[in-house]
Amino acid sequence: DSGVTQTPKHLITATGQRVTLRCSPRSGDLSVYWYQQSLDQGLQFLIQYYNGEERAKGNILERFSAQQFPDLHSELNLSSLELGDSALYFCASSVDRGKGTGELFFGEGSRLTVL
Amino acid sequence: GIQVEQSPPDLILQEGANSTLRCNFSDSVNNLQWFHQNPWGQLINLFYIPSGTKQNGRLSATTVATERYSLLYISSSQTTDSGVYFCAVSSQGGSEKLVFGKGTKLTVNP
Repeated sequence: DSGVTQTPKHLITATGQRVTLRCSPRSGDLSVYWYQQSLDQGLQFLIQYYNGEERAKGNILERFSAQQFPDLHSELNLSSLELGDSALYFCASSVDRGKGTGELFFGEGSRLTVL
Repeated sequence: GIQVEQSPPDLILQEGANSTLRCNFSDSVNNLQWFHQNPWGQLINLFYIPSGTKQNGRLSATTVATERYSLLYISSSQTTDSGVYFCAVSSQGGSEKLVFGKGTKLTVNP
């Protein structure tokens, strides 16, 4: 158990719909990262938050958005879903010692299927 | 951005065999981690090893930062070692995100 909690574990929805994925980081970790894993793209970095503020942005679509709340949990919102958005979405957290030196711990992922 | 290459892409072993997985990266790093993704999709931390050598049971890892590579050794492999092994790095002076390689898919047969 990494200490990072993600919900839901599985989600099936239809094209055009909107879903929200939730992540609770390990106790004491200030940084939250979101990754997408699809069969053809591998593990892709989407976005990072540090103590409520966006820190880095990767290959995140405009239809996707995220935020980190004062209690440090984070949500990833996916809208206008397409078949190609079907993937495993991971959240990770780190204590963030600065300059990217913190070890990342991953949650079990949320498997999204868009039909 | 930083590039990460893992080799071999696929590896099939008999139980009890040893193996070495390699990770090459294109720039100086301040973070390097090895993960095991099991058949259920979970990403398990194996090593946090931006430099030096570490051992944990049958697994060990070495990172030679000056030569930009890391090695993961698996000894006396077991069927439960099957899965995909990922190397991930973050570059010095870059953002803090981890960039993942494409992984090595390991199959250990009984």
